[in-house]
Amino acid sequence: DAGITQSPRHKVTETGTPVTLRCHQTENHRYMYWYRQDPGHGLRLIHYSYGVKDTDKGEVSDGYSVSRSKTEDFLLTLESATSSQTSVYFCAISESRQGSDTQYFGPGTRLTVL
Amino acid sequence: AQSVTQLGSHVSVSEGALVLLRCNYSSSVPPYLFWYVQYPNQGLQLLLKYTTGATLVKGINGFEAEFKKSETSFHLTKPSAHMSDAAEYFCAVSRSSGNTPLVFGKGTRLSVIA
Repeated sequence: DAGITQSPRHKVTETGTPVTLRCHQTENHRYMYWYRQDPGHGLRLIHYSYGVKDTDKGEVSDGYSVSRSKTEDFLLTLESATSSQTSVYFCAISESRQGSDTQYFGPGTRLTVL
Repeated sequence: AQSVTQLGSHVSVSEGALVLLRCNYSSSVPPYLFWYVQYPNQGLQLLLKYTTGATLVKGINGFEAEFKKSETSFHLTKPSAHMSDAAEYFCAVSRSSGNTPLVFGKGTRLSVIA
């Protein structure tokens, strides 16, 4: 257990509304990631963070922004939600175990945009 | 750029039969390779990983995978399938540092028939 929680776990919202998803970790990990999972696509990287206020874009970053003002929280914001952003969102952290770094995932947030 | 191809979006095996899930990768640098499992409505759980050293990697639940550089493959096997192995399996690759974001395959759903 890498001590990752995501909130909310489920959300239904309407097109055009802003949405913020929260990832919280308790073990002071430096690296954090947001992925989305869609059928037939596996998981794809949205944004990631390599420290407080240090973030970078991933493969599918359009329409998303992130913020990391403290180590334990990594927020993903959909500025104006669209139906194409209906997905399951996973947060991950990178932890060093057995001499190498490995990513561990949170339980996910299921977002439906109507 | 890195990429992962998982052959077969759905594999069905009988209980007690060999499980073989195929993964081929593309990477311009020495890769880190991972297999994750996802049970219905859950997050991703690490099965096993290859970083350096021994090319045959053993993971949890009786799974193992062999890194074959010449074939750019990292196939997942289990000698005898159990009903509890039914899940979706994802192969992923990252650059030499495990802190870099993962690139996932599209996943293979494993069904186990009694």
